[in-house]
Amino acid sequence: AQSVTQLGSHVSVSEGALVLLRCNYSSSVPPYLFWYVQYPNQGLQLLLKYTSAATLVKGINGFEAEFKKSETSFHLTKPSAHMSDAAEYFCAVSEGRSGNTGKLIFGQGTTLQVKP
Amino acid sequence: DADVTQTPRNRITKTGKRIMLECSQTKGHDRMYWYRQDPGLGLRLIYYSFDVKDINKGEISDGYSVSRQAQAKFSLSLESAIPNQTALYFCATSLAGGRGTDTQYFGPGTRLTVL
Repeated sequence: AQSVTQLGSHVSVSEGALVLLRCNYSSSVPPYLFWYVQYPNQGLQLLLKYTSAATLVKGINGFEAEFKKSETSFHLTKPSAHMSDAAEYFCAVSEGRSGNTGKLIFGQGTTLQVKP
Repeated sequence: DADVTQTPRNRITKTGKRIMLECSQTKGHDRMYWYRQDPGLGLRLIYYSFDVKDINKGEISDGYSVSRQAQAKFSLSLESAIPNQTALYFCATSLAGGRGTDTQYFGPGTRLTVL
């Protein structure tokens, strides 16, 4: 069975500091991995996704994530935090094989706080 | 995303009442999903549908039912609401690409409170 673990339910950084949100996955088949962001009172929107084309994935708003198979990780980073990055972030996995349902398994979420 | 709409946005109801949450999409996607979000638990899949005649249970379907009235509409019903169904409910859509790479597009959510 697939699963996703996000380490740290709350992360606080200062504006301009590095953002690092951690995600580890468990999957018996090659995974596809996603990061979604949820701003207050809004639905989720895709930040980036790993589809096996490249291990370093660049997304919107300056975020990127690196797929590390040996560590079963897909951590999300941004070199310099902005106040507008304050939101909840979700890591998700789906089965990487043809004919699958496209079902996503989500992690618990990490709330990012950005301090002035 | 305005392409996926949910009604109502907020609803307060009482234990035992029947409630319907509605989702409509203009993206032309075949696949639709219902999730619930609870603090500390992330999003969990309730039901999903590949097309109008193909509906499947997710990991937490007990106490819920769904109806896919058309390609663009997917409704979630709580037959007899109970307080632990208080949560934020999201509808999502995706293409039927046949692989797991397809992005899901989420509606704005419905906040349901069961007293």
